[in-house]
Amino acid sequence: DTGVSQNPRHKITKRGQNVTFRCDPISEHNRLYWYRQTLGQGPEFLTYFQNEAQLEKSRLLSDRFSAERPKGSFSTLEIQRTEQGDSAMYLCASSLGQGPNEKLFFGSGTQLSVL
Amino acid sequence: SQKIEQNSEALNIQEGKTATLTCNYTNYSPAYLQWYRQDPGRGPVFLLLIRENEKEKRKERLKVTFDTTLKQSLFHITASQPADSATYLCALGDTGRRALTFGSGTRLQVQP
Repeated sequence: DTGVSQNPRHKITKRGQNVTFRCDPISEHNRLYWYRQTLGQGPEFLTYFQNEAQLEKSRLLSDRFSAERPKGSFSTLEIQRTEQGDSAMYLCASSLGQGPNEKLFFGSGTQLSVL
Repeated sequence: SQKIEQNSEALNIQEGKTATLTCNYTNYSPAYLQWYRQDPGRGPVFLLLIRENEKEKRKERLKVTFDTTLKQSLFHITASQPADSATYLCALGDTGRRALTFGSGTRLQVQP
């Protein structure tokens, strides 16, 4: 079963460092989402791609965050100059279809701890 | 602003009983609503979807209702089992904004 794969599973970094996460979606899925989740909260939308085009970014996404999806396949999320408030689970999801028929398939996430 | 409310307190029930979880929303007119299950350390898993023109959907032991007048969805698990213990998230979507908006989830604990 080739579900959504995220790497690394865990990342510990010092404040001020840059980190990059990778997401490999289900191969035939054209949409890819990044969400962030903190303890006791639901996933919070960050950004979304359709194929290689980044179509929507949350107002919560500061300039320190950048995401790419070259060639419409895997995606990377980079956080520059990390802050302690960036500590969270970063979830990637992919989907095929749109509107009410769209179901998101999530990876297991990358847990980021900023010390 | 848009707000989605799920009971933040854990729901504890006995095995075999029906669990009922609530999702309320304000300042929102969703075209559809989805329910996901999330286990600790894992990503959410899709369970059910219901559209605004549907009152009820069923899938095996799961049932979801959607009342657009009350701005509420109820999620039922009948004949609950300890394996149903998890956090359940509701998510709202509309035809304009493409990304789902999630509630904070309710943790369900089924006691054997």
